[in-house]
Amino acid sequence: QKEVEQDPGPLSVPEGAIVSLNCTYSNSAFQYFMWYRQYSRKGPELLMYTYSSGNKEDGRFTAQVDKSSKYISLFIRDSQPSDSATYLCASIDVTGGGNKLTFGTGTQLKVEL
Amino acid sequence: KAGVTQTPRYLIKTRGQQVTLSCSPISGHRSVSWYQQTPGQGLQFLFEYFSETQRNKGNFPGRFSGRQFSNSRSEMNVSTLELGDSALYLCASSLAGEHGYTFGSGTRLTVV
Repeated sequence: QKEVEQDPGPLSVPEGAIVSLNCTYSNSAFQYFMWYRQYSRKGPELLMYTYSSGNKEDGRFTAQVDKSSKYISLFIRDSQPSDSATYLCASIDVTGGGNKLTFGTGTQLKVEL
Repeated sequence: KAGVTQTPRYLIKTRGQQVTLSCSPISGHRSVSWYQQTPGQGLQFLFEYFSETQRNKGNFPGRFSGRQFSNSRSEMNVSTLELGDSALYLCASSLAGEHGYTFGSGTRLTVV
């Protein structure tokens, strides 16, 4: 079992829709959580990072963490065709004295006109 | 502000050869990590360096090695290349890892 599980999709939505992307994790040592967006042939781009349970909002993006159920989500409001990309959730375990990002497999999103 | 720079962007090597990839982090970032990305396995952690010291290592064979220089620039080396080493190799740097890492565009390595 992977430490971070993510539905690979693909997920196809119409422009303007609210998108919900989800991950679950199994390692209780994960303390920090991030969402990355990756366009084809590019490196991942950091969208949001969060530590505590609850919601964090940045423009059209909201990251949600529920540590009790080990569940992390990313919501995209008013989705645009330019949001079409692969979205990766990631978690960090800092207990080992360093920083190691563990990624989900990524969800491929397509926003259609 | 310059981002994370990886060179070269593309590389084709023959089985059995070795390769060195280079990464220049964002100025001021002392933590540099390397990842391998393949369609089948996704993004997998290789190693992390901080102030020239390896702090973390992923589950890769000893053929994969790295180092960091005093100016925080980092290199990774893969010896005795195998076909399965074909992948996108990504470097990421951070000021404080828990605030997220900034990735470069990667080096696409093809082993033939």
